[in-house]
Amino acid sequence: KAGVTQTPRYLIKTRGQQVTLSCSPISGHRSVSWYQQTPGQGLQFLFEYFSETQRNKGNFPGRFSGRQFSNSRSEMNVSTLELGDSALYLCASRLSVGMNTEAFFGQGTRLTVV
Amino acid sequence: AQSVSQHNHHVILSEAASLELGCNYSYGGTVNLFWYVQYPGQHLQLLLKYFSGDPLVKGIKGFEAEFIKSKFSFNLRKPSVQWSDTAEYFCAVHSGNTGKLIFGQGTTLQVKP
Repeated sequence: KAGVTQTPRYLIKTRGQQVTLSCSPISGHRSVSWYQQTPGQGLQFLFEYFSETQRNKGNFPGRFSGRQFSNSRSEMNVSTLELGDSALYLCASRLSVGMNTEAFFGQGTRLTVV
Repeated sequence: AQSVSQHNHHVILSEAASLELGCNYSYGGTVNLFWYVQYPGQHLQLLLKYFSGDPLVKGIKGFEAEFIKSKFSFNLRKPSVQWSDTAEYFCAVHSGNTGKLIFGQGTTLQVKP
């Protein structure tokens, strides 16, 4: 079956702009989480969605937001981009929330802010 | 706050050498533990996982890990590494009723042919 699909793969944006990233989870998976990966900070949790509801949020400013649709696809939005937002953004898909489920990751979207 | 610590940031080995990467976490409750690998230019892939039961878990490509609850550790091992094992390795912990994974800082493994 198809894995986690993230689009686009690469993005270049200018400071101050906003960006929307998309994630399609594995079919049947209802939990989608987002992570930011940078060389300095490693992998940091952004937020998690399940059944169109945000269940958990990491320690990121309000410029980072997301949503989930009824088909479990998710988008994340970053407004007023800053140079420090340059990163690889990863989406993870899980069958459900709770323990004893594993996360499957997409290829990521490489965002460069100039 | 929960945290995950990986002891080695950069490891260089020759082919056929044995590998052990350390991982310690701080959380007193029930945890799920994972090791992920990220090959150059590729996405994070699950190497192995521990949910419960036998603390010695076997994963793909000859990797194994041992969960030692008393030491809050989940070290990754491989008896004989190959050049193709060159990658970045991440230890991660999951606890509670959310999907949040807490990752270690990662260990870059370079295997010399």
